[in-house]
Amino acid sequence: AQSVTQLGSHVSVSEGALVLLRCNYSSSVPPYLFWYVQYPNQGLQLLLKYTTGATLVKGINGFEAEFKKSETSFHLTKPSAHMSDAAEYFCAVSDRGTGRRALTFGSGTRLQVQP
Amino acid sequence: NAGVTQTPKFQVLKTGQSMTLQCAQDMNHNSMYWYRQDPGMGLRLIYYSASEGTTDKGEVPNGYNVSRLNKREFSLRLESAAPSQTSVYFCASSAWTGESPLHFGNGTRLTVT
Repeated sequence: AQSVTQLGSHVSVSEGALVLLRCNYSSSVPPYLFWYVQYPNQGLQLLLKYTTGATLVKGINGFEAEFKKSETSFHLTKPSAHMSDAAEYFCAVSDRGTGRRALTFGSGTRLQVQP
Repeated sequence: NAGVTQTPKFQVLKTGQSMTLQCAQDMNHNSMYWYRQDPGMGLRLIYYSASEGTTDKGEVPNGYNVSRLNKREFSLRLESAAPSQTSVYFCASSAWTGESPLHFGNGTRLTVT
């Protein structure tokens, strides 16, 4: 079964600083990879996903993530943090191939943006 | 433009009581899911339905049952609630399993005393 690790349950950055949220997966076969964001008292929203092709994926709100097979990583970045980016971020993975399968989520990283 | 609708939004149960959480989607998606969210543990899959007529256990199915009533609706039942089931429950749907992104409801906050 897939597993996904998010390093750092809390990350604090200053407004305008680089955001880096880390995600590593366990499978030897690269899975489908996703990042979701959750604002307070809401469900999760898709930020971006990697399925195939270009390893640098751009998402909404200026976020992007790079798939690195050699490092089994899919870290999320944003060059300049805004106050509105404060939320919880989840990395998720799903097996490739046929058959029934569902997303496995990491434990989440709460991003705090300081003025 | 409803997307995924969950009811109720909040519920308090006593230990041993039963209840059903309802979920409906209007996006003609084939796959539906129930997750629970607990602090520090992310989202854990309870059950999912890859398509109408199928259901599969997830990571934490004990104490729960599900029904895929039709393509739109997927309910989660707690037969005898326990304090360990205090959590926020999310329903989600996707076109198919695998690479299709999930669309989430706004959650049901359940407290079992």
